[in-house]
Amino acid sequence: GAGVSQSPSNKVTEKGKDVELRCDPISGHTALYWYRQSLGQGLEFLIYFQGNSAPDKSGLPSDRFSAERTGGSVSTLTIQRTQQEDSAVYLCASSLLWRTSNYGYTFGSGTRLTVV
Amino acid sequence: AQKITQTQPGMFVQEKEAVTLDCTYDTSDPSYGLFWYKQPSSGEMIFLIYQGSYDQQNATEGRYSLNFQKARKSANLVISASQLGDSAMYFCAMREAGGSNYKLTFGKGTLLTVNP
Repeated sequence: GAGVSQSPSNKVTEKGKDVELRCDPISGHTALYWYRQSLGQGLEFLIYFQGNSAPDKSGLPSDRFSAERTGGSVSTLTIQRTQQEDSAVYLCASSLLWRTSNYGYTFGSGTRLTVV
Repeated sequence: AQKITQTQPGMFVQEKEAVTLDCTYDTSDPSYGLFWYKQPSSGEMIFLIYQGSYDQQNATEGRYSLNFQKARKSANLVISASQLGDSAMYFCAMREAGGSNYKLTFGKGTLLTVNP
């Protein structure tokens, strides 16, 4: 597609439920990133996928968070047993190999997650 | 220690005037890149401008310029001739060449309001 697509754009869930957030990167972009933006904060790195390499999961805040990327394209971020502190905007981004890009990433519009 | 510091939580500027948004950074890596992103109320992160640590000249992109002072470790964004549509959050970010060189580290942002 023309840009990075994320769905849903908004999600309200009850505490303790599981949620799945989807990201469809720009076609041909081999790198995919998830960031989290909490109210009044900058962006916090969560996870990075690059081609067939093992993902960098170092930013995932707890074992309730997981992500996968199928076929080198679409990615799903899963949060199990959601807590109120998980409420945030989850941003996905994609890029070409970072070495060739001075443009950082192309971001999607994000999923606003509210845990009630 | 904060890697990216944006000391201005909010800034106001009159339409058609210039405004400077401050950003200081902290790194021991000699090779790094600095980015500015704009986030309007719609939530999408929009890339504005990039400065490489070895670039001899300050980056410019239309009405945006980056005042890069390497010795002071500052990378301030200058917006000339402000427009109402410039009202948004602005984030400074850095990518370091060493280690996890694909990650962008973001500051907490500055909310710019352009007054008519």
